[in-house]
This record gives sequence, C-alpha cells and structure tokens, in this order.
Amino acid sequence: EVNLVESGGGLVQPGGSLRVSCVGSGFIFSDYEMNWVRQAPGKGLEWVSYISSSGNIKYYADSVKGRFTFSRDNTRNSLFLQMDSLRVEDTGVYFCARSDKSGWHYFDSWGQGTLVTVSS
Amino acid sequence: SFVLTQPPSVSVAPGQTARMTCGGNDIGRTGVHWYQQKPGQAPVVVVYDDSHRPSGIPERFTGSKSANTATLTISRVEVEDEADYYCQVWDIFTDQRVFGGGTKLTVL
Repeated sequence: EVNLVESGGGLVQPGGSLRVSCVGSGFIFSDYEMNWVRQAPGKGLEWVSYISSSGNIKYYADSVKGRFTFSRDNTRNSLFLQMDSLRVEDTGVYFCARSDKSGWHYFDSWGQGTLVTVSS
Repeated sequence: SFVLTQPPSVSVAPGQTARMTCGGNDIGRTGVHWYQQKPGQAPVVVVYDDSHRPSGIPERFTGSKSANTATLTISRVEVEDEADYYCQVWDIFTDQRVFGGGTKLTVL
C-alpha cells in the first residue's frame, strides 16, 4: 500500500523560513516524480512544485518561484520543501502527491498534509 | 497559462444525476483529471485523462470532454458523494499543473 507522510509544519513569522518533509513507502520511491500541493484554509487546491524521479528537474508555481526549493533524497525515500521569505498567503496545508506513471501528470496518491501557518 | 473555471456549487437530490463542469481555453490539448475531497481529508482522483476511472472508483463516476469544457458526471448520487470536486490539467507548454477553483457538491 502506498503511504506518504508529511511532517515539519508549524507556526512561523512573515519573512521566516520552514522546511517540510514527506516520507514515502509501499512503492519504489526513486521511480516516481513527486509534487507539493497546498490548500489555504477554506480555499481550493494549488499546485506548488514538481520534482523528477532523479531530482534533476524541478518546476515551481509562479507564486513561490525564487522562495521555495524542492529537493529529494531517494536513499531515504524523502522529499523536502524549503520555504524561505514566507508570506501570510503561504499559510495552508501542504500535501505531497505522487505523479502517475502514465505520462498524464495527475496525482495518484496523496499524503494527509502538514499545516503551515505564517503569522506574526 | 491555463485558467480552469468551475461553478462554485452544485446541488442534487439522492438518486439523481450531478454534472460538474470545468472550462478553459485549450483544454482540448491536454487530459483533464478530477479529484474528490471530503472535509479534513486528502483529495482522491476519481477520473483521469478525461474519462478513465481508477480502480476502486464506482462506475457511477464518468468523465467527458467536448471543445473547451470537461464534465464530471455522477449518476445515482449518494449522500456519501457530498464533497468538493476539483479539475486539474498539465500545461504542456509551461510544465505547470493547474487546478480549477473547485465545485462543492451538496446532496440535498
């Protein structure tokens, strides 16, 4: 069974930094492209970032480009999202999500999310 | 870049058919995927690539696409289908993934 578990969320002041993580199990982690998707309180889903299976290729939403850095460690089945220069509007639940292997770029498995709150 | 438009809400009685739309320019050049999200839970894909259903998703859930509009249809709606539904595409030109704003399905 595919399992994704996020951690590292918390309260941080505007302008601060935070790193959230995701550990995957139940599948060959290094074979899959991965993503972060976030959801502000009471709002819809917003794709944040993508990383290739090897970690060499990354894409970011315009809203986080230059502030967030997505990385992975396939030896530890882990993903990391380093979030710098945080803003109040970055508040939300951050989900890690696995990309399908069919090439259509949908998200076939999700974690339960970790809450990031940016507030003074 | 893609902008996907979904109606904010749809209401339907149990046993009836619910139809939720997702509109966007150039939607015809990429596959459309649909997710169901219940309160406090992670989203679950219910249709991928316009009309394909993952294993474990009831046959009551069907997807279709015509011109600039994709549609998620739920037949014989059940109370447990009450949730938020999001469409999503992959923009092949920018490599960005895009979600629609979501539709809240209320089962009366």
